[in-house]
Amino acid sequence: ETGVTQSPTHLIKTRGQQVTLRCSSQSGHNTVSWYQQALGQGPQFIFQYYREEENGRGNFPPRFSGLQFPNYSSELNVNALELDDSALYLCASSSSRQGRGNEQFFGPGTRLTVL
Amino acid sequence: KNEVEQSPQNLTAQEGEFITINCSYSVGISALHWLQQHPGGGIVSLFMLSSGKKKHGRLIATINIQEKHSSLHITASHPRDSAVYICAVKTGGGADGLTFGKGTHLIIQP
Repeated sequence: ETGVTQSPTHLIKTRGQQVTLRCSSQSGHNTVSWYQQALGQGPQFIFQYYREEENGRGNFPPRFSGLQFPNYSSELNVNALELDDSALYLCASSSSRQGRGNEQFFGPGTRLTVL
Repeated sequence: KNEVEQSPQNLTAQEGEFITINCSYSVGISALHWLQQHPGGGIVSLFMLSSGKKKHGRLIATINIQEKHSSLHITASHPRDSAVYICAVKTGGGADGLTFGKGTHLIIQP
């Protein structure tokens, strides 16, 4: 059984660019949640995908978007990058019925730096 | 005011000491998680609980739903326990993600 993986591990972009981060969920998990963790802060919920549909969203603007694929892997896309988007982006997978909560297993994160 | 408050923010102790980290929350929850985050970012789920008490090795987590409070205890602490410990809550049964505390930075000195 493989755990949650994320790619890339580190990424440097400049303001205004677009970025795509990837997450492979743990085998058997159908739900992926994305979180943003700024330095020294706790993670903040971005959104959750369940069976390829966005199933819940935190307080993030529309330039944060995502996808979930039939194999339940997921992408986080951020357009028009801003300096404040610099953070560790974490994905977590879980096995949920109808997108309801369950224990979440976290990936190692992607550290994004926006210059 | 953050919905999830942890204390202390920083804790330094000697190897072997009994450690307690506290978490208070102000909203109704369906579950509370204790997570461990090491330098570099990876997060490991330690416990998920909605009532009572759970134990795993040297770690014990308790929750009091009426008082909206949870504690994480580490017995016989060891330098490898040094990490950030994060409390997170799941509000309701819907699809919203976890709401996290800011974490407690624990250092265990040999």
